[in-house]
Amino acid sequence: LAKTTQPISMDSYEGQEVNITCSHNNIATNDYITWYQQFPSQGPRFIIQGYKTKVTNEVASLFIPADRKSSTLSLPRVSLSDTAVYYCLVGGGFQKLVFGTGTRLLVSP
Amino acid sequence: DAGVIQSPRHEVTEMGQEVTLRCKPISGHDYLFWYRQTMMRGLELLIYFNNNVPIDDSGMPEDRFSAKMPNASFSTLKIQPSEPRDSAVYFCASSPSSFLGTFGELFFGEGSRLTVL
Repeated sequence: LAKTTQPISMDSYEGQEVNITCSHNNIATNDYITWYQQFPSQGPRFIIQGYKTKVTNEVASLFIPADRKSSTLSLPRVSLSDTAVYYCLVGGGFQKLVFGTGTRLLVSP
Repeated sequence: DAGVIQSPRHEVTEMGQEVTLRCKPISGHDYLFWYRQTMMRGLELLIYFNNNVPIDDSGMPEDRFSAKMPNASFSTLKIQPSEPRDSAVYFCASSPSSFLGTFGELFFGEGSRLTVL
């Protein structure tokens, strides 16, 4: 399983763009990259998934360079409600999914 | 859809007692996962099922833990006997079949917070 490394915490202010980078140097050819968000006292919630280049949905964008050894989750114009823990997962097929320690994002007024 | 439903939401019990946590996955989902979350260890996968069959239980901490999925709409995680170190939030998640070579999105329940005194 590809190991992921992401910052333990990040701080931002309302209205700013937040980019959280995840390193996964030993990603396998058939691995996908998935990001989850977790609020206190709730289960994680799927945000976005991608394999290469750029993926965008109504919540976030995911940028993946050609070598796929890292990925960046981009949250445009964050609000206080985006304060949460963000997890980067790498895997594919029937492999079990491993949530790391995640990145605690704190958005301040 | 009601989402993944877990019960109880909170349970406080004494050491040595049996604990049973329950989960109803989203209808039509083939995969069911049990996770445990603590401050020290984060979110750990305990076991997962595919079409009611346990596929990987390597995350189950010890023989005191057991999980069953008697049918597609119900699963249990049992701890017997319980110990204080089992105190954690236990999440159940379900997912549709893998497609296009990737795993499907995991849908988590709200969790069961267990406190063992």
